[in-house]
Amino acid sequence: DTAVSQTPKYLVTQMGNDKSIKCEQNLGHDTMYWYKQDSKKFLKIMFSYNNKELIINETVPNRFSPKSPDKAHLNLHINSLELGDSAVYFCASSQSLGTGELFFGEGSRLTVL
Amino acid sequence: GEDVEQSLFLSVREGDSSVINCTYTDSSSTYLYWYKQEPGAGLQLLTYIFSNMDMKQDQRLTVLLNKKDKHLSLRIADTQTGDSAIYFCAESTDSWGKLQFGAGTQVVVTP
Repeated sequence: DTAVSQTPKYLVTQMGNDKSIKCEQNLGHDTMYWYKQDSKKFLKIMFSYNNKELIINETVPNRFSPKSPDKAHLNLHINSLELGDSAVYFCASSQSLGTGELFFGEGSRLTVL
Repeated sequence: GEDVEQSLFLSVREGDSSVINCTYTDSSSTYLYWYKQEPGAGLQLLTYIFSNMDMKQDQRLTVLLNKKDKHLSLRIADTQTGDSAIYFCAESTDSWGKLQFGAGTQVVVTP
């Protein structure tokens, strides 16, 4: 059973489109995250949620909107996609807030043409 | 990341030891982490060290922390081909679990 699963694994789309990435964790963790990894492998946090509540919201364009319907799910919706949004998006979870022991999903590679 | 720096590449022969280095700038870091990323996969936590420790050993992995110089290293003994991956150093500086990652060190193990 995959602990943190993301769908889709690959996403190719045109500029201006809207897309969503879904994430689910079956570890019973309270906290979930979205990280963005660019082409140089640099990883940066975008958002974190704890028990469905937004905790971290880094300087991310408001075209990106996370949604956590329950503590096991954290989805990422992106409006009006731009070329610079091309990256691998990783979902992660941790048992609670404040711990850096993260469990990562396998990533969703988004390519914007 | 601008606050955490690592060398980008390390080549090592199978059976030798690998040493991956990392420097960080935030002296209030509480925990420092090493993550491993294999091709096409997510990051996997390897080990971590609390800021009041100098060293931590876990099987083939040894973490050394020099707080004065803000320098962290990961030594992998008897490196195997399965150790080929990107290794990320990360620091945790706040109570929200926000991690600042380095750019990663690509380790290539040759037979």
